[in-house]
Amino acid sequence: AQSVSQHNHHVILSEAASLELGCNYSYGGTVNLFWYVQYPGQHLQLLLKYFSGDPLVKGIKGFEAEFIKSKFSFNLRKPSVQWSDTAEYFCAVRGNNRLAFGKGNQVVVIP
Amino acid sequence: DTGVSQDPRHKITKRGQNVTFRCDPISEHNRLYWYRQTLGQGPEFLTYFQNEAQLEKSRLLSDRFSAERPKGSFSTLEIQRTEQGDSAMYLCASSLVEQTNYGYTFGSGTRLTVV
Repeated sequence: AQSVSQHNHHVILSEAASLELGCNYSYGGTVNLFWYVQYPGQHLQLLLKYFSGDPLVKGIKGFEAEFIKSKFSFNLRKPSVQWSDTAEYFCAVRGNNRLAFGKGNQVVVIP
Repeated sequence: DTGVSQDPRHKITKRGQNVTFRCDPISEHNRLYWYRQTLGQGPEFLTYFQNEAQLEKSRLLSDRFSAERPKGSFSTLEIQRTEQGDSAMYLCASSLVEQTNYGYTFGSGTRLTVV
């Protein structure tokens, strides 16, 4: 079965700082990887996804993620965060007809 | 609204009572998923349907839980004899199985509190 590990569950940073969230996955089949974001009081929304091709994936709101197959990683980055990026971020891997999520990263951006 | 709708948004129930939640997926989506999310955890898979067929159930889904999707459209999740440990956010998601390069669309969830 697939699994996802996310570290640094709570991240606090100031506006304009850079953000990087780590994601490591375990799955033996073809890898489909996702990052979802959940803003306070809202539903899960897709930030970006990787299926194949260019391992550097660009998503919405200035986020990007890099798939490194040799490291089983799919880290999320944003060069300069804004207060509105305060949210919970979940990495997920698809396999066996379902998404498996990590525990999430709670990110708080201080104005 | 063309997203995934869940009803109710919040449910408070007494231990031992039965509760039922409803999910209306995006109309053309043939797959429907139920997940459960507790505080500090990511969503955990419970079960999924393709059209009206329930194809898989997680071991998290005890005998007190049952899900249906009778006409391949909306789905219901029922919990019988609720326990305090059932308190969680129950999420529904849908997808189109033919769109293999697409993610799932999630609803806003039903927050269950068992007192």
